[in-house]
Amino acid sequence: DAGVTQSPTHLIKTRGQHVTLRCSPISGHKSVSWYQQVLGQGPQFIFQYYEKEERGRGNFPDRFSARQFPNYSSELNVNALLLGDSALYLCASSFVYSQVQPQHFGDGTRLSIL
Amino acid sequence: AQKITQTQPGMFVQEKEAVTLDCTYDTSDPSYGLFWYKQPSSGEMIFLIYQGSYDQQNATEGRYSLNFQKARKSANLVISASQLGDSAMYFCAMREPGGKLIFGQGTELSVKP
Repeated sequence: DAGVTQSPTHLIKTRGQHVTLRCSPISGHKSVSWYQQVLGQGPQFIFQYYEKEERGRGNFPDRFSARQFPNYSSELNVNALLLGDSALYLCASSFVYSQVQPQHFGDGTRLSIL
Repeated sequence: AQKITQTQPGMFVQEKEAVTLDCTYDTSDPSYGLFWYKQPSSGEMIFLIYQGSYDQQNATEGRYSLNFQKARKSANLVISASQLGDSAMYFCAMREPGGKLIFGQGTELSVKP
């Protein structure tokens, strides 16, 4: 079975542009979460979706938005990109959004802002 | 607020030896899950092992075991018989009631031949 897939793998943008990152969860998983990992730090939670509804939001500005589609895939959108948005963006999926289920991660999208 | 602390920025271990990576946590929720992930230099986050707060026994998964001491709020990862391929960043994480993961700062493990 395929794991969590993310696209693109790498992306280079300039300040002020917008970007859309995509994620397909493991088949049967209904919960998708997004994390930002800045170099040298642990991942920071951005959003969680379950059954197409937002179930959690981290401490990120309104420039960050996301949505989940009927097939449970998800998009993360970032507007008005800043240099500080350069990071590895990780998508994770799980069957439900409970405390006892592990989240399984994709390989991430490396976003570089010039 | 929940918090994960990993106090070892870097660790070295000789190939074939065992190593313990430390993790302490803070939460007021009686029900929680603790996870360990491995992140090689390529970036993917690989799930290793899980321990539930109500589990009576320490979790084990192949060469990975979790030394869970609930009263001390610690959940240390033990890797037995280290291999060169174990060299990576290791993250301890806790899942909040709403489902999001809180990560520690990570420990970089280097396995020496």
